[in-house]
Amino acid sequence: DAGVIQSPRHEVTEMGQEVTLRCKPISGHNSLFWYRQTMMRGLELLIYFNNNVPIDDSGMPEDRFSAKMPNASFSTLKIQPSEPRDSAVYFCASSNPGLANGQFFGPGTRLTVL
Amino acid sequence: QKEVEQNSGPLSVPEGAIASLNCTYSDRGSQSFFWYRQYSGKSPELIMFIYSNGDKEDGRFTAQLNKASQYVSLLIRDSQPSDSATYLCAVSTAGQNFVFGPGTRLSVLP
Repeated sequence: DAGVIQSPRHEVTEMGQEVTLRCKPISGHNSLFWYRQTMMRGLELLIYFNNNVPIDDSGMPEDRFSAKMPNASFSTLKIQPSEPRDSAVYFCASSNPGLANGQFFGPGTRLTVL
Repeated sequence: QKEVEQNSGPLSVPEGAIASLNCTYSDRGSQSFFWYRQYSGKSPELIMFIYSNGDKEDGRFTAQLNKASQYVSLLIRDSQPSDSATYLCAVSTAGQNFVFGPGTRLSVLP
């Protein structure tokens, strides 16, 4: 299994630009999670999907952030317009429901907004 | 608001010693408990899970759960410098609603 795949691995952009992060979950996993990690705030859950349906988006910081999951094998997280405070590492993770099923993380996208 | 708390560390132990990492959680409805290891610049990696009270051993790692005290711990025996990382505790209900703690930074000194 290839694991969770994220792209790009690094993104440098200027304030005000649109940023799109992409994720392919592990095949067969029906839950997908987007996290943001910074030194100051640690690992924060932004949104999660179950069977392609957004279940909890209470962690999305503001309307500039949006996420979609058009099918079971692809999700996007979009920031428009981006701001310097959005600079962080963004992780995608996938799992299946169940007591013994933890999340498996992708390699992350390091976003820098200048 | 579900909360998971961990000492931020750093926790320093000499090589070969036992490292003890602790985690408390606020939601009594939590069912599953996970430990992740995160090396600097890398993504979190799942190393242990537990959902029944008591101990669960896997190699040099032992997870301990006490639901009455809302406490979960991770013991690392014979600590190695390669164990130096940040350890994240995560709590969930039926594989959903994951909440992560802030992590404890472990440093194993050679």
